[in-house]
Amino acid sequence: EIVLTQSPATLSLSPGERATLSCRASQSISIYLAWYQQKVGRAPRLLIYDASTRATGIPARFSGSGSGTDFTLTISGLEPEDSAVYYCQQRSTWPLTFGGGTKVEIK
Amino acid sequence: EVQLLESGGGLVQPGGSLRLSCATSGFIFSNYAMSWVRQAPGKGLEWVSSITNNGDRTAYADSVKGRFTISRDPSKNTLHLQMYSLRAEDTAVYYCAKDVGEVRWNFDYWGQGTLVTVSS
Repeated sequence: EIVLTQSPATLSLSPGERATLSCRASQSISIYLAWYQQKVGRAPRLLIYDASTRATGIPARFSGSGSGTDFTLTISGLEPEDSAVYYCQQRSTWPLTFGGGTKVEIK
Repeated sequence: EVQLLESGGGLVQPGGSLRLSCATSGFIFSNYAMSWVRQAPGKGLEWVSSITNNGDRTAYADSVKGRFTISRDPSKNTLHLQMYSLRAEDTAVYYCAKDVGEVRWNFDYWGQGTLVTVSS
């Protein structure tokens, strides 16, 4: 099973700042990584798939990068509504797995 | 507009059974793989099971293999998850999720979730 390790566990930033979230895979997963945003009490929302492709309707301030084992989600110009938990997910190998999540708090 | 609506959750005793359903609309159901993902209270996301667009292949997490069965009914555009031998650790909100494509295994639309509580 591929283990995805997300860091940091919590990120506390002010509006307008840049958030950098990391997801590290226990073995190479090529570019087969997605990022989701989950707000409290809501279902997850797909942000990025295949490491860097933005899903439909996702603002350009969300960007993804990486390949192999190291991936990054960047949120440029944080807005108050970006307060959420962010999860990465790999589809390279069964079983599909999710990371443990990074909580982004807006000061 | 894509819509996914889960039903069938509730309180069940350990060892019991439950069948979840996910009614879909707003897209061509037979063109997309579908999956179930769960989230235990206060915890992260856990993939449970997936089925290809035409239903010819299925996959399960080790934690549910042999106890859960995923299926789809193209005549009703509905996804199902039959759960047997339920355990306390199966307690979670269960989400159905639509695949980005035929078989890409990323999820672009999710239902609102249905809560399954396994307790005596």
